[in-house]
Order: sequence, then structure tokens, then C-alpha cells
Amino acid sequence: SQTIHQWPATLVQPVGSPLSLECTVEGTSNPNLYWYRQAAGRGLQLLFYSVGIGQISSEVPQNLSASRPQDRQFILSSKKLLLSDSGFYLCAWTTGGDTEAFFGQGTRLTVV
Amino acid sequence: GQQLNQSPQSMFIQEGEDVSMNCTSSSIFNTWLWYKQDPGEGPVLLIALYKAGELTSNGRLTAQFGITRKDSFLNISASIPSDVGIYFCAGLRRDDMRFGAGTRLTVKP
Repeated sequence: SQTIHQWPATLVQPVGSPLSLECTVEGTSNPNLYWYRQAAGRGLQLLFYSVGIGQISSEVPQNLSASRPQDRQFILSSKKLLLSDSGFYLCAWTTGGDTEAFFGQGTRLTVV
Repeated sequence: GQQLNQSPQSMFIQEGEDVSMNCTSSSIFNTWLWYKQDPGEGPVLLIALYKAGELTSNGRLTAQFGITRKDSFLNISASIPSDVGIYFCAGLRRDDMRFGAGTRLTVKP
């Protein structure tokens, strides 16, 4: 069966520090991968999605970036965090072709 | 990016009551999904809809894929306290997946 792993679960980082969040999927190949951010009590904002290795689509211009170095690995990064980067970050995957999406457990990022 | 229009934003109901929420969009989607999110957790898939007009049930939950492919609704019958949470709709079109802003459900015992 397929599973998705996301880590770390929580992270407290100072302003200006770098960021690296990782998401991996097991049990499937060539998934579509997504990064979402959720502000407290709000909906999910699509940040990046990827349909294959090295293919990244960005939805929101900001100081975040994403990379897909391997088929089932999706990384969210920043060189210098801002206070406004605080939030709940969620990784999701689908098999493509308009099928259902499954989420990781999320990373709670607090920038101080 | 464009988000879906989900309503209501929040609901406060008594245990045992039925609940209805819906999502609309100006764009057509090929798949509609409904999720529930508990605090500090990732959303969990409740129901997936793949065909216009499709009506699907999962226990006390029923969801429909609108005939125009631009809307969907979710009904919860005979609510119980563990139904508390935030419910999200999502629309998929090829590789594009968009979410509603969520409906926060509170159930009073």
C-alpha cells in the first residue's frame, strides 16, 4: 500500500535562517506531488506541484522554492525565512489522471 | 491561484442534526474530493467523486458531483460529536488541485 511521510512534524526557526522540509512517498511510482501551506484556521494554499523529476510548477512567487531530486521525494526550501512563512505545511500526492489525493501529517513551522 | 468557493464558513449544530455544505467554482473539474481535517493533522479523504451527477455515500456521509461539473455538496446525517473538525472540498483537473477555504463544524452534545 502507498504511504506518505513528511518531516519534521514541528519546527521552530529564527527569521533569516534556511529551511528544508522533506516529503517522500512509498508504494507508487511517478506520483504527482504537491506542497500546500495552511495559515491558522484557514484553507490550503497551493505553493508548488510536480509531475515528474525536476519538474516544478510554482503557484505563488515568494521566498520559498521546491525541488524533486528523486521520483518519490519532494523538498520545500528557503534560503532565508520570514515571519510570514509561519504556518502548517502539507505535502500531498496523487497518481495523476484526476485520482484522489492523499496528505502527509504536516509540518508546523513557527518562525520567530 | 484560484480557490473554490466553499460555504458555509462555519456551522454550530446540535448532536443528531443533519449538515449540508457545498463548493462551487467558475471552472470545470474532473474530480471532486471531500476531506476532513482534525487539529494539527493532515486532511483525511472522506469521499471521491469522478463523474458528473454521481452520488456517493460513506456511512452517514453523502456527496454529489454537480451535473455542470462546477459544484459539489457534502451532507452529514445524524451528526455526532466526533464529526467536529474542518471539512474541505477539492477539485482536480489534470494536475491542478484546488481547495475550498473549509467549513468548520462544531457539534454540541
